[in-house]
This record gives sequence, C-alpha cells and structure tokens, in this order.
Amino acid sequence: GAVVSQHPSRVICKSGTSVKIECRSLDFQATTMFWYRQFPKQSLMLMATSNEGSKATYEQGVEKDKFLINHASLTLSTLTVTSAHPEDSSFYICSASEGNQPQHFGDGTRLSIL
Amino acid sequence: GESVGLHLPTLSVQEGDNSIINCAYSNSASDYFIWYKQESGKGPQFIIDIRSNMDKRQGQRVTVLLNKTVKHLSLQIAATQPGDSAVYFCAEIRSNTGFQKLVFGTGTRLLVSP
Repeated sequence: GAVVSQHPSRVICKSGTSVKIECRSLDFQATTMFWYRQFPKQSLMLMATSNEGSKATYEQGVEKDKFLINHASLTLSTLTVTSAHPEDSSFYICSASEGNQPQHFGDGTRLSIL
Repeated sequence: GESVGLHLPTLSVQEGDNSIINCAYSNSASDYFIWYKQESGKGPQFIIDIRSNMDKRQGQRVTVLLNKTVKHLSLQIAATQPGDSAVYFCAEIRSNTGFQKLVFGTGTRLLVSP
C-alpha cells in the first residue's frame, strides 16, 4: 500500500517551454503533497507544500510564478515549470501523506532543458 | 574506507561487513527522525524511523542510534549486501508543525563490493 506515482519519469524539452509533472496517490488520500528538487550528488530540497484545495506554501527562494502547483483533489497534485530554462534542469520528486502519516515518495521526474 | 567527494561522502565496504552511516542534524527541537535509501533514478525509500524519546531502534538488519546530546544519528546495516548500495539520507522532523516537513541531511553514498 501507500503508492505514489509520478509522471513522466523523464522529459526533455526546449528552453522556453512549460512542463507539467503529475503526482498521484494510488491507494490513499493525500491531504498534503510535497515537491522537492534534487541536483546531482546533492540532497533533496523542499520547494513547496500543498494541502488539498488550498494554495501551496513555497519555501524561501522558490518562485511561485515559476513553479505552479495545483492540488485540486485528494489524489493528484501537479507541478508546472513555466518558461523552463537550462538552469531548471533537475530531478523533481513529489511525496504525499495522509494526515500526519509519513510521507511516501514518487520515483521522480528527470527534467532536462536544452 | 571513507572519502569525501565534492558534495556526497562515500563509504566503501566489502560484502558481509557491517556498515555505519552517520548524520548530524541541526535542529534541537526535532523530535522525529527517518532514514531513507535512494537508488539511482528513484525516489527515497523509507528504511527506519526513531522518535526523540528513544535512543535505539532495530529493524531487519538495520539499527538506528540517536544521540540527542550531540545531535547525532547513525544507521547501522548488518551483513551489508551489494543490493544495499545506494545513497542514504537522514531526515529530521519537528512534528508539532502540524504536518511532516522533512529536512534532509546531505546524504552518504554506500558502495558495497562483492
């Protein structure tokens, strides 16, 4: 149980395009979802936290207009990287939790901007 | 032996040895700690957790030790196997924040040689 599915697993696109990443909880209700970014050989850095039906809370230094987060249902959150540039290339990972239960992680999305 | 890379410390062991991975956490108010294993191209996988009212917890082949006095956490893996090769992260949580906001440590790469 407690499976989180993230899609796509890999995306390559041109600079200036927008990219949407989906995160789904398959067998539980994700009242809270989290989005992380991980650069090579580095740790996971929390970008934002979203509660279902509410606006996301962004960490300091993360541009909310650049990284649009939607958490419209208890099983789906999306992260849209708008007007992506090469410096946005990274490994993006979502996690989800039900209430105060531990977070369960997706398998990440490798984003490469050319 | 242990070496420090540009960003990620590495611990190299032989198959069958015991491994000890260390972590220093930052917030004395943190009261819940988790160890994660991350394989290449995947999201973090829960290994074991411990609350601040404990100093030791054992799982299958793994033991976590917590020293609150010096804010230190360790993960011991018994009879290390090649499948244990991965990056290991500790994460700390202040559970009174209302939801589980994880703060990840820098990570340690474990390399197990046959």
